[in-house]
Amino acid sequence: SYVLTQPPSVSVAPGQTASITCGGNDIGRKGVHWYQQKPGQAPVLVVYDDSDRPSGIPERLSGSNSGNTATLTISRVEAGDEADYYCQVWHGGDGGVFGGGTKLTVL
Amino acid sequence: QLQLQESGPGLVRASETLSLTCTVSGGSVRDTSYYWAWIRQPPGKGLEWVGSVYYNGNIYYNPSLKSRISLSTDTSQNQVSLKMNSVAAADTAVYYCARVASFSSSWYGWFDSWGLGTLVTVSS
Repeated sequence: SYVLTQPPSVSVAPGQTASITCGGNDIGRKGVHWYQQKPGQAPVLVVYDDSDRPSGIPERLSGSNSGNTATLTISRVEAGDEADYYCQVWHGGDGGVFGGGTKLTVL
Repeated sequence: QLQLQESGPGLVRASETLSLTCTVSGGSVRDTSYYWAWIRQPPGKGLEWVGSVYYNGNIYYNPSLKSRISLSTDTSQNQVSLKMNSVAAADTAVYYCARVASFSSSWYGWFDSWGLGTLVTVSS
């Protein structure tokens, strides 16, 4: 089965840049989607198809994907960005696959 | 604005069948642009795709759950349903209904709208 690997946690100071990685075999050939989930809430789509943003998502959130790593980058981090972030792809017979999630802490 | 509302019993006995319904408002289950999906999240853990269904009966299941689950749509009620049999404690989770968007009305898109989720606890 296809595995997506995310760091369990990332910490960043307000105003700095946070990078959350998602590793997978040849993930650069797949479309990667990212979700933000705050405590007690449903996930929210923040990036789709590697680097597109849904309406209402600030430009501070951006995505990239190449080789074996996809990355969600959050610039000028704010306290409100503190959340769990999940990457997701589709892989053949496995169907939908999520990464284990990364908890972003704003110091 | 699209709204998804999950409903069903919050407590299910082990070995019995879990039945959940997702009622769609502000949109149509018959919309040919979208699949509809179920995703679950055990308490304190990550997300797991359960399966996706199209209004015409096309269905895709998580291989690890395929033998126990059934998805369907009811276009007259604008609902999507999930049934899971032989449940066990490991099936305790928040179950989310979500819309699947894509560039080509395919099942392998992104989940662009989610319900609030419903917690299902399996008791022994």
